[in-house]
Amino acid sequence: DVKVTQSSRYLVKRTGEKVFLECVQDMDHENMFWYRQDPGLGLRLIYFSYDVKMKEKGDIPEGYSVSREKKERFSLILESASTNQTSMYLCASSFWNLLFFGSGTQLSVL
Amino acid sequence: AQTVTQSQPEMSVQEAETVTLSCTYDTSESNYYLFWYKQPPSRQMILVIRQEAYKQQNATENRFSVNFQKAAKSFSLKISDSQLGDTAMYFCAFMKHSQGAQKLVFGQGTRLTINP
Repeated sequence: DVKVTQSSRYLVKRTGEKVFLECVQDMDHENMFWYRQDPGLGLRLIYFSYDVKMKEKGDIPEGYSVSREKKERFSLILESASTNQTSMYLCASSFWNLLFFGSGTQLSVL
Repeated sequence: AQTVTQSQPEMSVQEAETVTLSCTYDTSESNYYLFWYKQPPSRQMILVIRQEAYKQQNATENRFSVNFQKAAKSFSLKISDSQLGDTAMYFCAFMKHSQGAQKLVFGQGTRLTINP
């Protein structure tokens, strides 16, 4: 079974903090994605990566950056967390047209 | 840009009933995929069913089937003989057929509750 692991299930941070959300996949997938999920808005793509050190902006990249130094790991970085970044964050990796998701990180920014 | 719309924020039915979730999408692409994902309280996204746009036959997976109307850009999900374990958020999603990273565009979601 494909496993996509997000390091934290729940996270509470303060406004202005630098926040790292980590995601690891074990299937040697080239593509990885970060989505945020908000009630009434569904899932929206923040960033994705199609290879090591390669990244592209999704639909809502403002306030976020990403890092992919190794194929299996894709990190989402909130440079200076704000309250409007309180959300559920979902990581995924893909093979062809099948995406495999982690269990999500519920981030609260106070 | 592609958009996906789910017009039913919440639905509720009795166990064993049949329920249909609606989804419409907008695209100028001719070759694409459509998906229904289920997200139970565990938050794990589970692929329910997938449809390839060039296939006219509607996809079916056990109690789950779709009604794919390409011209109308409609992709509804029918759940037959609903079970308590079907209670979840359901997301409709679109993927353009292309080289490179395959990105999913999601609808807003429908919260489905199956009552005993």
